[in-house]
Amino acid sequence: SAVISQKPSRDICQRGTSLTIQCQVDSQVTMMFWYRQQPGQSLTLIATANQGSEATYESGFVIDKFPISRPNLTFSTLTVSNMSPEDSSIYLCSGGTDLYGYTFGSGTRLTVV
Amino acid sequence: AQSVTQLDSQVPVFEEAPVELRCNYSSSVSVYLFWYVQYPNQGLQLLLKYLSGSTLVKGINGFEAEFNKSQTSFHLRKPSVHISDTAEYFCAVIYLGANSGYALNFGKGTSLLVTP
Repeated sequence: SAVISQKPSRDICQRGTSLTIQCQVDSQVTMMFWYRQQPGQSLTLIATANQGSEATYESGFVIDKFPISRPNLTFSTLTVSNMSPEDSSIYLCSGGTDLYGYTFGSGTRLTVV
Repeated sequence: AQSVTQLDSQVPVFEEAPVELRCNYSSSVSVYLFWYVQYPNQGLQLLLKYLSGSTLVKGINGFEAEFNKSQTSFHLRKPSVHISDTAEYFCAVIYLGANSGYALNFGKGTSLLVTP
């Protein structure tokens, strides 16, 4: 299975600023996803990161707020823009080459003050 | 709407006792089914998966799960738990359909607490 390195692992940010989260995969994967996990909650899919094209966003998530890049098959970024305290959450990336189970990064714990 | 339901938000159990964590999904389309575990302050780790074939699947750490198509369930079991099994367990489903995408859809999670 692919190994995903995610950084930063945590950050405390001022409201109104932006944070970019990076995920690096140790092998090429066809599919990558970004999730949000609010404290004590399940994982909510933000978007599917498409290589070389615009990400596919789920209902309730928009590109202006969560721009995503995926320049190749091993790397993706998620930016949380114009942050507010409601954006405080854990953000996780996930990826895989087939449907046999995806691996996850270790997550980014974001606190907005 | 497609959904994944984990019926128990918390399951307390004594060490060496058996445990079952329940998961139901709602869909008439074909599915792939997964259980993930999340230890405190860590990412998610795949426990086991059902793709096809035998409905009883075995995973890591002594866990197993059984796919029941008629009941649209995929319950996770372990015959004897350890303190180290204390964690959050997530059931997840990939719905196989024309417009479903291939992302995991997660249940709300079950917190397993094993005590001596």
